Amino acid sequence: GENVEQHPSTLSVQEGDSAVIKCTYSDSASNYFPWYKQELGKGPQLIIDIRSNVGEKKDQRIAVTLNKTAKHFSLHITETQPEDSAVYFCAASLWRGDMRFGAGTRLTVKP
Amino acid sequence: NAGVTQTPKFQVLKTGQSMTLQCAQDMNHEYMSWYRQDPGMGLRLIHYSVGAGITDQGEVPNGYNVSRSTTEDFPLRLLSAAPSQTSVYFCASSYSTAGNEQFFGPGTRLTVL
Repeated sequence: GENVEQHPSTLSVQEGDSAVIKCTYSDSASNYFPWYKQELGKGPQLIIDIRSNVGEKKDQRIAVTLNKTAKHFSLHITETQPEDSAVYFCAASLWRGDMRFGAGTRLTVKP
Repeated sequence: NAGVTQTPKFQVLKTGQSMTLQCAQDMNHEYMSWYRQDPGMGLRLIHYSVGAGITDQGEVPNGYNVSRSTTEDFPLRLLSAAPSQTSVYFCASSYSTAGNEQFFGPGTRLTVL
């Protein structure tokens, strides 16, 4: 089955700096790659996603890039703010409905 | 819309007890799923359903049963609770398949003594 690895497990940045989180996946048939943000005591919430026919997608301060050949994708957050502090999960999904998540990255933005 | 709701929020069980975690959604989503979240392991898929009457196993299905008699509800049953099932459980739903935004419930924190 699909295996998703996520790095780093923790990331600490100064407010205003950029943050990058990287994920690799194993199954070349995966075609949907979402990123979720989880705040303390809540369920994960989608922040951005990308499909396999697109190489990059941007939404204000957040961007995701996908390299299908290398089977890795990354989340980029620019101009970080304290409210960006949370746990971020990447995931990869096949068409048949089996989504696998990375282990998560705890991002801390220091004011 | 209430979105995805889960009950209870917290539960403590003794080893061997059974219980059902409830999940409901009011968005008319076909796809529903159950995940467990353990420290350092992310979210692991337990079972999922692509529509009423259809369920399938995920990554960690042992010890859990599901059924999907209606589009709205997707309960998760623990047949004989074990300490290894201590975890936070999340239910999620999406419009058609896993290849779309999944909406997560608030979670159920389960402790098995």
